Amino acid sequence: SAVISQKPSRDICQRGTSLTIQCQVDSQVTMMFWYRQQPGQSLTLIATANQGSEATYESGFVIDKFPISRPNLTFSTLTVSNMSPEDSSIYLCSVWAGVSYEQYFGPGTRLTVT
Amino acid sequence: TQLLEQSPQFLSIQEGENLTVYCNSSSVFSSLQWYRQEPGEGPVLLVTVVTGGEVKKLKRLTFQFGDARKDSSLHITAAQPGDTGLYLCAGPNSNFGNEKLTFGTGTRLTIIP
Repeated sequence: SAVISQKPSRDICQRGTSLTIQCQVDSQVTMMFWYRQQPGQSLTLIATANQGSEATYESGFVIDKFPISRPNLTFSTLTVSNMSPEDSSIYLCSVWAGVSYEQYFGPGTRLTVT
Repeated sequence: TQLLEQSPQFLSIQEGENLTVYCNSSSVFSSLQWYRQEPGEGPVLLVTVVTGGEVKKLKRLTFQFGDARKDSSLHITAAQPGDTGLYLCAGPNSNFGNEKLTFGTGTRLTIIP
């Protein structure tokens, strides 16, 4: 299994600012995923991040709002840009375990936008 | 789009009781996974079921995959406060590739001591 850490664990940000969330994995992985979990809700996939290529975004999510970097096989960042209160959510990164489509998740970043 | 509907959405029961959570879809899935998420944590994989009709047991938790691979259930025997959490089923999204997952709507379980 992979051990995944995220920074920050939580933050309170003002409307109009941006926050960059870091995801660090203890082993090299090919595929990393970024999810949003709105209060009391399930997980919604934002994008898939592969090393050496641009992230692939799901419907309803755009690169200008959620730019992603994947500089190597153990690290990725997600930026939430020009934040509004509607961006208040938990943001989770995960990695593909390589078998049976299973994923390992980080602990999440709880973002509150005021 | 493949959707996974979970029921009930919320469940609150007394310690020691039994319960069943359901995950249903109109689509066929090659496999389904169950995750549990505790407050302040990311989801943790509990089990993957692959074969139609398959039953897997994890201590007091019993997972079943429907014969047609469109549904799954999670049964907990003698629930304990440590079982409290958000239970999520998930399956590979065949529309986009095997590595992506579609997550169910979730069941928030509370076990009252």
